[in-house]
Amino acid sequence: NAGVTQTPKFQVLKTGQSMTLQCAQDMNHEYMSWYRQDPGMGLRLIHYSVGAGITDQGEVPNGYNVSRSTTEDFPLRLLSAAPSQTSVYFCASSYAESYEQFFGPGTRLTVL
Amino acid sequence: QQPVQSPQAVILREGEDAVINCSSSKALYSVHWYRQKHGEAPVFLMILLKGGEQKGHEKISASFNEKKQQSSLYLTASQLSYSGTYFCGTEMSRRDDKIIFGKGTRLHILP
Repeated sequence: NAGVTQTPKFQVLKTGQSMTLQCAQDMNHEYMSWYRQDPGMGLRLIHYSVGAGITDQGEVPNGYNVSRSTTEDFPLRLLSAAPSQTSVYFCASSYAESYEQFFGPGTRLTVL
Repeated sequence: QQPVQSPQAVILREGEDAVINCSSSKALYSVHWYRQKHGEAPVFLMILLKGGEQKGHEKISASFNEKKQQSSLYLTASQLSYSGTYFCGTEMSRRDDKIIFGKGTRLHILP
Protein backbone atom coordinates (compact mmCIF):
# COMPACT_ATOMS: atom_id res chain seq x y z
CA ASN A 1 0.00 0.00 0.00
CA ALA A 2 1.29 3.45 -0.91
CA GLY A 3 -1.01 5.06 1.70
CA VAL A 4 -1.77 8.72 0.99
CA THR A 5 0.20 10.30 -1.83
CA GLN A 6 0.40 13.98 -2.73
CA THR A 7 1.80 15.69 -5.79
CA PRO A 8 3.69 17.88 -6.32
CA LYS A 9 5.96 18.07 -3.25
CA PHE A 10 6.96 21.66 -4.01
CA GLN A 11 5.35 24.32 -6.18
CA VAL A 12 5.98 27.98 -6.88
CA LEU A 13 3.19 30.03 -8.45
CA LYS A 14 2.73 33.61 -9.47
CA THR A 15 -0.21 35.59 -8.17
CA GLY A 16 -3.30 34.86 -10.24
CA GLN A 17 -2.19 31.48 -11.55
CA SER A 18 -4.32 28.41 -10.98
CA MET A 19 -3.27 24.91 -10.12
CA THR A 20 -4.46 21.62 -8.70
CA LEU A 21 -2.87 19.80 -5.79
CA GLN A 22 -3.34 16.08 -6.20
CA CYS A 23 -4.19 13.65 -3.40
CA ALA A 24 -4.78 9.94 -3.73
CA GLN A 25 -5.19 7.04 -1.29
CA ASP A 26 -5.28 3.30 -1.86
CA MET A 27 -6.84 2.24 1.46
CA ASN A 28 -10.47 2.49 0.32
CA HIS A 29 -11.10 5.22 2.88
CA GLU A 30 -14.38 7.10 2.69
CA TYR A 31 -13.27 10.21 4.60
CA MET A 32 -10.72 12.59 3.09
CA SER A 33 -9.70 16.09 4.05
CA TRP A 34 -7.38 18.95 3.15
CA TYR A 35 -5.52 21.03 5.74
CA ARG A 36 -3.16 23.94 5.44
CA GLN A 37 -0.40 24.52 7.96
CA ASP A 38 1.08 27.93 8.64
CA PRO A 39 3.57 28.82 11.41
CA GLY A 40 1.78 29.27 14.72
CA MET A 41 -1.63 28.49 13.26
CA GLY A 42 -1.77 24.73 13.57
CA LEU A 43 -3.63 22.62 11.02
CA ARG A 44 -6.62 24.40 9.53
CA LEU A 45 -9.31 22.45 7.70
CA ILE A 46 -10.00 23.65 4.15
CA HIS A 47 -12.47 21.13 2.73
CA TYR A 48 -13.45 17.57 3.52
CA SER A 49 -15.41 14.70 2.01
CA VAL A 50 -17.30 11.84 3.62
CA GLY A 51 -17.51 9.85 0.40
CA ALA A 52 -17.48 10.02 -3.38
CA GLY A 53 -19.69 12.83 -4.64
CA ILE A 54 -19.95 14.52 -1.21
CA THR A 55 -17.82 17.47 -0.17
CA ASP A 56 -18.19 20.21 2.41
CA GLN A 57 -16.39 23.33 3.62
CA GLY A 58 -14.03 23.47 6.55
CA GLU A 59 -12.66 26.45 8.49
CA VAL A 60 -10.88 28.24 5.64
CA PRO A 61 -12.51 27.28 2.29
CA ASN A 62 -12.28 30.61 0.46
CA GLY A 63 -10.11 30.48 -2.66
CA TYR A 64 -10.18 26.69 -2.88
CA ASN A 65 -12.40 24.19 -4.68
CA VAL A 66 -12.59 20.43 -4.32
CA SER A 67 -14.36 17.53 -5.96
CA ARG A 68 -14.60 13.84 -5.14
CA SER A 69 -15.51 11.83 -8.22
CA THR A 70 -13.88 8.63 -6.96
CA THR A 71 -13.15 7.15 -3.54
CA GLU A 72 -9.40 7.28 -4.23
CA ASP A 73 -8.86 10.88 -5.37
CA PHE A 74 -9.51 14.23 -3.71
CA PRO A 75 -7.88 17.10 -5.66
CA LEU A 76 -7.66 20.64 -4.30
CA ARG A 77 -7.90 23.48 -6.81
CA LEU A 78 -6.59 26.98 -6.35
CA LEU A 79 -8.55 29.13 -8.78
CA SER A 80 -6.46 32.32 -8.61
CA ALA A 81 -3.47 31.98 -6.34
CA ALA A 82 -2.71 34.72 -3.81
CA PRO A 83 0.37 35.24 -1.59
CA SER A 84 -1.85 34.48 1.44
CA GLN A 85 -2.14 30.92 0.12
CA THR A 86 1.56 30.31 0.63
CA SER A 87 1.53 27.34 2.99
CA VAL A 88 2.14 23.64 3.47
CA TYR A 89 -0.87 21.62 2.40
CA PHE A 90 -1.67 18.21 3.85
CA CYS A 91 -4.20 15.72 2.58
CA ALA A 92 -5.50 13.07 4.97
CA SER A 93 -7.78 10.05 4.76
CA SER A 94 -9.52 7.76 7.22
CA TYR A 95 -12.10 5.01 7.31
CA ALA A 96 -14.55 7.57 8.76
CA GLU A 97 -14.31 10.88 10.58
CA SER A 98 -13.93 9.36 14.06
CA TYR A 99 -11.06 7.12 13.08
CA GLU A 100 -7.31 7.50 12.71
CA GLN A 101 -6.38 9.89 9.90
CA PHE A 102 -3.44 9.04 7.67
CA PHE A 103 -1.66 12.13 6.39
CA GLY A 104 0.15 12.50 3.10
CA PRO A 105 3.71 13.91 2.99
CA GLY A 106 2.50 17.42 2.17
CA THR A 107 2.90 19.97 -0.62
CA ARG A 108 4.89 23.13 0.04
CA LEU A 109 3.34 25.94 -2.00
CA THR A 110 4.82 29.39 -2.48
CA VAL A 111 2.83 32.13 -4.21
CA LEU A 112 4.88 35.11 -5.36
CA GLN B 1 -14.37 26.32 16.73
CA GLN B 2 -10.66 25.79 17.25
CA PRO B 3 -9.72 24.05 20.54
CA VAL B 4 -7.20 25.76 22.81
CA GLN B 5 -4.01 23.93 23.68
CA SER B 6 -1.75 24.64 26.64
CA PRO B 7 1.07 25.11 27.16
CA GLN B 8 2.26 26.48 23.83
CA ALA B 9 5.73 25.04 24.36
CA VAL B 10 7.51 22.79 26.85
CA ILE B 11 11.17 21.99 27.38
CA LEU B 12 11.95 18.88 29.43
CA ARG B 13 14.91 16.72 30.27
CA GLU B 14 14.80 13.09 29.26
CA GLY B 15 12.91 11.06 31.84
CA GLU B 16 10.65 13.89 33.00
CA ASP B 17 6.86 13.87 32.66
CA ALA B 18 4.68 16.24 30.63
CA VAL B 19 1.01 17.05 30.40
CA ILE B 20 -0.55 18.77 27.39
CA ASN B 21 -4.07 20.11 27.67
CA CYS B 22 -6.78 20.66 25.08
CA SER B 23 -9.97 22.54 25.89
CA SER B 24 -13.10 23.55 24.02
CA SER B 25 -15.83 26.10 24.65
CA LYS B 26 -18.38 23.66 23.23
CA ALA B 27 -19.40 20.11 24.03
CA LEU B 28 -17.22 17.50 22.39
CA TYR B 29 -17.92 14.11 20.84
CA SER B 30 -14.31 13.07 20.32
CA VAL B 31 -10.74 14.23 20.78
CA HIS B 32 -7.88 13.18 18.48
CA TRP B 33 -4.18 13.46 19.33
CA TYR B 34 -1.38 13.64 16.75
CA ARG B 35 2.36 14.24 16.89
CA GLN B 36 4.33 15.96 14.14
CA LYS B 37 8.10 15.99 13.85
CA HIS B 38 9.80 18.84 12.03
CA GLY B 39 9.42 18.57 8.27
CA GLU B 40 7.14 15.53 8.48
CA ALA B 41 3.43 14.82 8.36
CA PRO B 42 1.36 14.47 11.55
CA VAL B 43 1.14 10.94 12.93
CA PHE B 44 -1.82 9.53 14.85
CA LEU B 45 -1.46 8.85 18.58
CA MET B 46 -4.98 8.12 19.83
CA ILE B 47 -8.68 8.98 19.75
CA LEU B 48 -10.92 9.42 22.76
CA LEU B 49 -14.65 9.16 22.25
CA LYS B 50 -17.39 10.54 24.44
CA GLY B 51 -17.49 8.31 27.49
CA GLY B 52 -14.46 9.40 29.50
CA GLU B 53 -12.36 6.28 28.98
CA GLN B 54 -8.65 6.86 29.35
CA LYS B 55 -6.60 5.39 26.54
CA GLY B 56 -2.95 4.91 25.93
CA HIS B 57 -0.09 2.61 25.39
CA GLU B 58 3.29 2.35 27.06
CA LYS B 59 4.20 5.78 28.35
CA ILE B 60 1.72 7.97 26.44
CA SER B 61 -1.86 8.15 27.64
CA ALA B 62 -4.79 10.55 27.50
CA SER B 63 -8.01 11.35 29.28
CA PHE B 64 -11.24 13.00 28.16
CA ASN B 65 -13.43 14.92 30.59
CA GLU B 66 -16.74 15.53 28.82
CA LYS B 67 -18.16 17.79 31.51
CA LYS B 68 -15.16 20.10 31.42
CA GLN B 69 -14.87 19.76 27.63
CA GLN B 70 -11.20 18.99 28.09
CA SER B 71 -8.65 16.37 27.20
CA SER B 72 -5.16 15.88 28.51
CA LEU B 73 -2.23 14.01 27.01
CA TYR B 74 0.23 12.48 29.49
CA LEU B 75 3.80 11.66 28.50
CA THR B 76 5.55 9.68 31.22
CA ALA B 77 9.31 9.33 31.52
CA SER B 78 9.80 11.24 28.27
CA GLN B 79 12.24 10.00 25.66
CA LEU B 80 14.20 12.01 23.08
CA SER B 81 11.90 10.56 20.40
CA TYR B 82 8.92 12.34 22.00
CA SER B 83 10.14 15.71 20.74
CA GLY B 84 7.83 17.36 18.24
CA THR B 85 4.60 19.31 18.04
CA TYR B 86 1.46 17.78 19.51
CA PHE B 87 -1.95 18.62 18.09
CA CYS B 88 -5.37 17.89 19.45
CA GLY B 89 -8.31 17.72 17.07
CA THR B 90 -11.93 17.86 18.14
CA GLU B 91 -15.30 16.79 16.81
CA MET B 92 -18.37 18.56 18.20
CA SER B 93 -20.89 15.82 17.49
CA ARG B 94 -21.29 12.45 15.83
CA ARG B 95 -22.86 14.18 12.82
CA ASP B 96 -20.42 17.08 12.67
CA ASP B 97 -17.95 15.33 10.32
CA LYS B 98 -15.34 18.05 10.87
CA ILE B 99 -12.16 17.56 12.84
CA ILE B 100 -10.76 20.93 13.94
CA PHE B 101 -7.19 21.07 15.25
CA GLY B 102 -5.65 23.35 17.84
CA LYS B 103 -2.52 25.41 17.24
CA GLY B 104 -0.26 22.77 18.73
CA THR B 105 2.13 22.37 21.65
CA ARG B 106 5.87 22.23 20.90
CA LEU B 107 7.70 19.71 23.07
CA HIS B 108 11.49 19.62 23.19
CA ILE B 109 13.28 16.90 25.12
CA LEU B 110 16.85 17.54 26.21
CA PRO B 111 19.30 14.67 26.87
